[in-house]
Amino acid sequence: GAGVSQSPRYKVAKRGQDVALRCDPISGHVSLFWYQQALGQGPEFLTYFQNEAQLDKSGLPSDRFFAERPEGSVSTLKIQRTQQEDSAVYLCASSLDRAAYEQYFGPGTRLTVT
Amino acid sequence: KQEVTQIPAALSVPEGENLVLNCSFTDSAIYNLQWFRQDPGKGLTSLLLIQSSQREQTSGRLNASLDKSSGRSTLYIAASQPGDSATYLCVGTDTDKLIFGTGTRLQVFP
Repeated sequence: GAGVSQSPRYKVAKRGQDVALRCDPISGHVSLFWYQQALGQGPEFLTYFQNEAQLDKSGLPSDRFFAERPEGSVSTLKIQRTQQEDSAVYLCASSLDRAAYEQYFGPGTRLTVT
Repeated sequence: KQEVTQIPAALSVPEGENLVLNCSFTDSAIYNLQWFRQDPGKGLTSLLLIQSSQREQTSGRLNASLDKSSGRSTLYIAASQPGDSATYLCVGTDTDKLIFGTGTRLQVFP
């Protein structure tokens, strides 16, 4: 079946622009996670949804980062007024129910802020 | 705060060798442990998931063990092949999030 998909795969933004990154989880997966992976580093947790509820956003680095999942399926990660330090790969993952279950990752969106 | 450390950070071996990748975590209250591989420019592929009640999992040439009391996990790769070249990530889970290790970059040369 279809896996987790993300779009766009690559995004180049000028400093100060707003960007929106999309994640389509596996159908039926209740939980959705966003991670940020800087070059040469392991992924770091950003935020977590259980259905449409954002249960944990402790990893969001600043109030410029905002995530939503209004209908409990597709999720969007929005970054306002992008800065160079936002350049990273943004990974989305979904699981049947919470992190305790196996997580399936999308290919990621590589964001470059110039 | 849970931290996950992997040793070695990088490994380069000729094909055919049996390999051991090590992972240690600071909080023994870890729930599950999962091993992923990451190929350059690509996403993460789950290899093995060891649930909290289990001690090991096997898939093909891969075997992963988990010792919660010592806070350690080991990934064994038997008869390594050039296609095994990737970064291997050890990932601990609590109920709500994954905590990623620092990764081991593996290169298997012909």
